[in-house]
Amino acid sequence: EVQLVESGGGLVQPGGSLRLSCAASGFTFSSYWMSWVRQAPGKGLEWVANIKQDGSEKYYVDSVKGRFTISRDNAKNSLYLQMNSLRAEDTAVYYCARGSRGPAATGWFDPWGQGTLVTVSS
Amino acid sequence: SYVLTQPPSVSVAPGQTARITCGGNNIGSKSVHWYQQKPGQAPVLVVYDDSDRPSGIPERFSGSNSGNTATLTISRVEAGDEADYYCQVWDSSSDHHVVFGGGTKLTVL
Repeated sequence: EVQLVESGGGLVQPGGSLRLSCAASGFTFSSYWMSWVRQAPGKGLEWVANIKQDGSEKYYVDSVKGRFTISRDNAKNSLYLQMNSLRAEDTAVYYCARGSRGPAATGWFDPWGQGTLVTVSS
Repeated sequence: SYVLTQPPSVSVAPGQTARITCGGNNIGSKSVHWYQQKPGQAPVLVVYDDSDRPSGIPERFSGSNSGNTATLTISRVEAGDEADYYCQVWDSSSDHHVVFGGGTKLTVL
């Protein structure tokens, strides 16, 4: 069974840092683009970042550039999101999602993890 | 940046057909993907590449895309279809960004 399990969420003060992890199983992790997508409470979906199969290409939404870093460890079948200088507006459920298998980041997300909640508040 | 516009809500009676639109400039030239999200759950892919269905998704779910509008059609709507639905495209013009529509709440009357 293809599965994605996120961890690492929690309560953090503004300006603080947090590292999210996503453990993948049931498929060849190193063959897929991977992404982080977030959803603020009561709001819609917002793509955050994605990373190519070998980690050579990474892309971010403008609002997190310079603060968040996406990375992966194919040997551990794991995806990460290092979040620094956190702001109240970063409060959201963060989902890990599998992307395309090709050389470009085009395509859909399937499956998604269950999500991990990040709350930025003093 | 590319913008996708969805109606905030759509209501339909059980057994009827629901149509959820996703508007974007020349969206017909892009591949559109649709997700269903029930309360407290992660999104689930229901249609990809405009009109293809993943395995396990009922044939009642179908999609189309032309001009400036993509449409998700749910036939013979059931109570269990009540959820939020999001369209998504990949925008090659904006640094490999992924774009989601604002979401549509489907209410089954």
